[in-house]
Amino acid sequence: EAGVAQSPRYKIIEKRQSVAFWCNPISGHATLYWYQQILGQGPKLLIQFQNNGVVDDSQLPKDRFSAERLKGVDSTLKIQPAKLEDSAVYLCASSLWGDRGGYTFGSGTRLTVV
Amino acid sequence: AQSVAQPEDQVNVAEGNPLTVKCTYSVSGNPYLFWYVQYPNRGLQFLLKYITGDNLVKGSYGFEAEFNKSQTSFHLKKPSALVSDSALYFCAVRDMGQAGTALIFGKGTTLSVSS
Repeated sequence: EAGVAQSPRYKIIEKRQSVAFWCNPISGHATLYWYQQILGQGPKLLIQFQNNGVVDDSQLPKDRFSAERLKGVDSTLKIQPAKLEDSAVYLCASSLWGDRGGYTFGSGTRLTVV
Repeated sequence: AQSVAQPEDQVNVAEGNPLTVKCTYSVSGNPYLFWYVQYPNRGLQFLLKYITGDNLVKGSYGFEAEFNKSQTSFHLKKPSALVSDSALYFCAVRDMGQAGTALIFGKGTTLSVSS
């Protein structure tokens, strides 16, 4: 089966600019996650979707971050305006709902804010 | 609240020697436990999981992990390390009693295997 697709792979922007990341999960996976992985740290959950509804966005900095999953398939994560501390790898993952197994992760988007 | 601790930032072993990467966890209920590996510029790859049953779990690439409920630990092990095992390893936990909640990850341990 095809894996989780993410784009772009790399992005360099200046602070205060905006940026968007795209994720296409595995077909049939109802649950989609966005994680932020800062260098030297473990992945931190930003937002979790079940189909097109938000399950958990408690750690999403809502003043600058937004995410949507229209039609319950693809998802877009946006940062506006970006700060230096947003430099990180943004990982998308998907799973079946209630799955006791692990997730399938995409390769991630490495964002550098200068 | 759920949490995971990986007490070692780096583990160094010689090729052919056994390796252990440590993980302890905290959940209010019973845990689902996972190990993932990350190679440079790659996403996280699933290694193994503990859901229920036998405390010794076998996974990909010859890795195994032992669930110890009394010590709230889930250490990753391999009898004989390979240079190609050098990577970043993450332990993760989910509370079994909270269906649909996301995985919580530790900060990661860098494994370096020397030839």
